Amino acid sequence: KAGVTQTPRYLIKTRGQQVTLSCSPISGHRSVSWYQQTPGQGLQFLFEYFSETQRNKGNFPGRFSGRQFSNSRSEMNVSTLELGDSALYLCASSLGARANEQFFGPGTRLTVL
Amino acid sequence: AQSVTQLGSHVSVSEGALVLLRCNYSSSVPPYLFWYVQYPNQGLQLLLKYTSAATLVKGINGFEAEFKKSETSFHLTKPSAHMSDAAEYFCAVDHGGTSYGKLTFGQGTILTVHP
Repeated sequence: KAGVTQTPRYLIKTRGQQVTLSCSPISGHRSVSWYQQTPGQGLQFLFEYFSETQRNKGNFPGRFSGRQFSNSRSEMNVSTLELGDSALYLCASSLGARANEQFFGPGTRLTVL
Repeated sequence: AQSVTQLGSHVSVSEGALVLLRCNYSSSVPPYLFWYVQYPNQGLQLLLKYTSAATLVKGINGFEAEFKKSETSFHLTKPSAHMSDAAEYFCAVDHGGTSYGKLTFGQGTILTVHP
């Protein structure tokens, strides 16, 4: 079974631009969670989607948004990029129940100049 | 609020020595706990999980962890370190309830293994 895939793997943007990151979950997984990883703040939860519905959201500004498609693939969008948005963005998929482990993709490394 | 504390941001051991990575949690509900490992430029890989069954959990690559409710701990151990164990390790707690899909992670522990 193929793992979680994320595209692109690396991105360089400038302040003020917007960016869209993509995540394809493991086949059969309906839940996709997104995390931001930085050296200073560690791993922080952005949001989770299940069957095209956002069920949970972390403490991030409205510039961070996401969506999920009927095939469970998910995208996250960051508008009006700031230097502080430079991070590794990880998505994880699971079956969606609490005891189900999350399987992580390799991440997208975003650099904002 | 649920939180996770990993004691020691860096741990260094010799090859063949015991590995002990410490994790303490706080949770208002019975926790589900996880240990993940991250190698450079990669995502997180699940080592093991505790979901209220056996308190001693065995994972991949010879790792295991013991859930101790009285100490609110979930420390990760491996009897004999291998060079390939050098990586960053994260302890995480599942919030449960309506906090769907959210894991709260500790700050991570970088494990260095010396020959």
